[in-house]
Amino acid sequence: RKEVEQDPGPFNVPEGATVAFNCTYSNSASQSFFWYRQDCRKEPKLLMSVYSSGNEDGRFTAQLNRASQYISLLIRDSKLSDSATYLCVVGRMDSSYKLIFGSGTRLLVRP
Amino acid sequence: DTAVSQTPKYLVTQMGNDKSIKCEQNLGHDTMYWYKQDSKKFLKIMFSYNNKELIINETVPNRFSPKSPDKAHLNLHINSLELGDSAVYFCASSPHTGTSVQETQYFGPGTRLLVL
Repeated sequence: RKEVEQDPGPFNVPEGATVAFNCTYSNSASQSFFWYRQDCRKEPKLLMSVYSSGNEDGRFTAQLNRASQYISLLIRDSKLSDSATYLCVVGRMDSSYKLIFGSGTRLLVRP
Repeated sequence: DTAVSQTPKYLVTQMGNDKSIKCEQNLGHDTMYWYKQDSKKFLKIMFSYNNKELIINETVPNRFSPKSPDKAHLNLHINSLELGDSAVYFCASSPHTGTSVQETQYFGPGTRLLVL
């Protein structure tokens, strides 16, 4: 079992739709949580950090449930430019601090 | 104004060859990383260096040897390339020692390696 699990999708939604992605992590020692975005044939880029209290950045809302080891990302009013792969990422200390990436959820927003 | 750059962008080579990938960051960061993203898009850390010192060495074949001549550069040399080494290799950097739990990592554009 992978340490960070995501539904690979693809999620195919019309413009303007609301879409939610979920992610679970297995290591309770995980300390930090992020969503990264990766466009086709590009590098991953940080979308937002995720805090226990939940946080919002424009149309994007992220939630963390430590008890259930569950992270979510909600995208409201989807735009064509939101089409990408969304990577759930957790950070924890091992010999040093490191990031563990999920394999990503692919989103396709259609006109 | 490239932040994290990698060369080459594409690398096609024969099995058994030795090749190097170079990475440079101009962000003044202390920590640099190499990741491998396989055909299933799974991104996995390989190595991490902090101020030229190796701090993460995941279970990677010893055909892979990172080298950090200074804190702005982290190169990856691969000996005796195998078919299974075909992947996208990303370099990344982060500001400090890699011990901050909220530290963002900035990725280079990737090197697409194809071993024939």
